[in-house]
Amino acid sequence: QQQVKQSPQSLIVQKGGIPIINCAYENTAFDYFPWYQQFPGKGPALLIAIRPDVSEKKEGRFTISFNKSAKQFSLHIMDSQPGDSATYFCAADTGRRALTFGSGTRLQVQP
Amino acid sequence: DADVTQTPRNRITKTGKRIMLECSQTKGHDRMYWYRQDPGLGLRLIYYSFDVKDINKGEISDGYSVSRQAQAKFSLSLESAIPNQTALYFCATSSSRGDEKLFFGSGTQLSVL
Repeated sequence: QQQVKQSPQSLIVQKGGIPIINCAYENTAFDYFPWYQQFPGKGPALLIAIRPDVSEKKEGRFTISFNKSAKQFSLHIMDSQPGDSATYFCAADTGRRALTFGSGTRLQVQP
Repeated sequence: DADVTQTPRNRITKTGKRIMLECSQTKGHDRMYWYRQDPGLGLRLIYYSFDVKDINKGEISDGYSVSRQAQAKFSLSLESAIPNQTALYFCATSSSRGDEKLFFGSGTQLSVL
């Protein structure tokens, strides 16, 4: 029973497009929402993270949008590039346990 | 050299065998974790340890055990391996003095026949 639900499972966009990956959670005690990026043969690596006191955070071409009332958050990748092709995981945490991950989204950016 | 090292990288074993996966880290972190990754299921927490004397079960601990031999070492054991434990296993670390960022190893692909 996943506490963090992620969609879509896979996504194909053209270079320059803006893929959007969505996550929803139930536990209102969650107060930290990171996104991890994983390339084939590698472990996941932190991409960007947000806390619920802000509604948006940008780092380069990556943006997290956070909607506390809807208990949803999403990752937007601006001007996507083939090098962004990877699996993306959302996650959530209370700081007192360990990260709970979503099921992952496999993104393919076509040239 | 990798900060979080997992051994072996690949392992094939038979049903009923005892298997140990090892993880060591040079980051000086106090917290260590074991996750397993399955297609369509994401990363699921098996066990986590916030310090050498603090070990906690995750959401899928049945059939697994762990040992925190030192701050830098955290091993995962499958007492009697079964085919549905075939998965990609990741060790990760973090610091209680940091920003909750996890640092992952490169993973161990385990196949149970």
